[in-house]
Amino acid sequence: KNEVEQSPQNLTAQEGEFITINCSYSVGISALHWLQQHPGGGIVSLFMLSSGKKKHGRLIATINIQEKHSSLHITASHPRDSAVYICAVMRGTSYGKLTFGQGTILTVHP
Amino acid sequence: EAGVTQFPSHSVIEKGQTVTLRCDPISGHDNLYWYRRVMGKEIKFLLHFVKESKQDESGMPNNRFLAERTGGTYSTLKVQPAELEDSGVYFCASSQVGLAGYTDTQYFGPGTRLTVL
Repeated sequence: KNEVEQSPQNLTAQEGEFITINCSYSVGISALHWLQQHPGGGIVSLFMLSSGKKKHGRLIATINIQEKHSSLHITASHPRDSAVYICAVMRGTSYGKLTFGQGTILTVHP
Repeated sequence: EAGVTQFPSHSVIEKGQTVTLRCDPISGHDNLYWYRRVMGKEIKFLLHFVKESKQDESGMPNNRFLAERTGGTYSTLKVQPAELEDSGVYFCASSQVGLAGYTDTQYFGPGTRLTVL
């Protein structure tokens, strides 16, 4: 079993829908990253969280350290949100080394 | 400010050949990480430099992989000799040593897609 598990692995939505991607991890962490990779594109860091909630535009990321769980929400989804979303954790003693989930492939149809 | 760059973007080589991948981090970033994604699997850590020193190389698959970071600037990852299972996308990332220690945002390069035939 991977130390970082994401669900769902694939997600299809209609434009305008509210989307949630979940990430569960089994190790102690110092921070959690949500990353985005568009088809043919590079990996971009969306959020780095160690507690609570962060918001950027239509994207919201939350983390519950006690439950070892994080969610990425996209409000009013748009076809340009279609991408792979990756959860990655930084262990407390890892000096920045990331452990990745397998990614969630999101497709938003117009 | 230039982002993390990697060269080449694609490399196709035959089994047994040597390939060298290069990563240029963001200027001033002391942390440099190499990661790899093998098809169908999650991205995995290979190693971490702080300046020119290897902080952690626990993810290096075997001694066919050699990473260097001369002068604490760009880094190279050499695979010699390459095997079929080395195929994948190799990502480099860099970050500053933040106020909180190492927990600073990592900026990723576009990756090098390596195909070993």
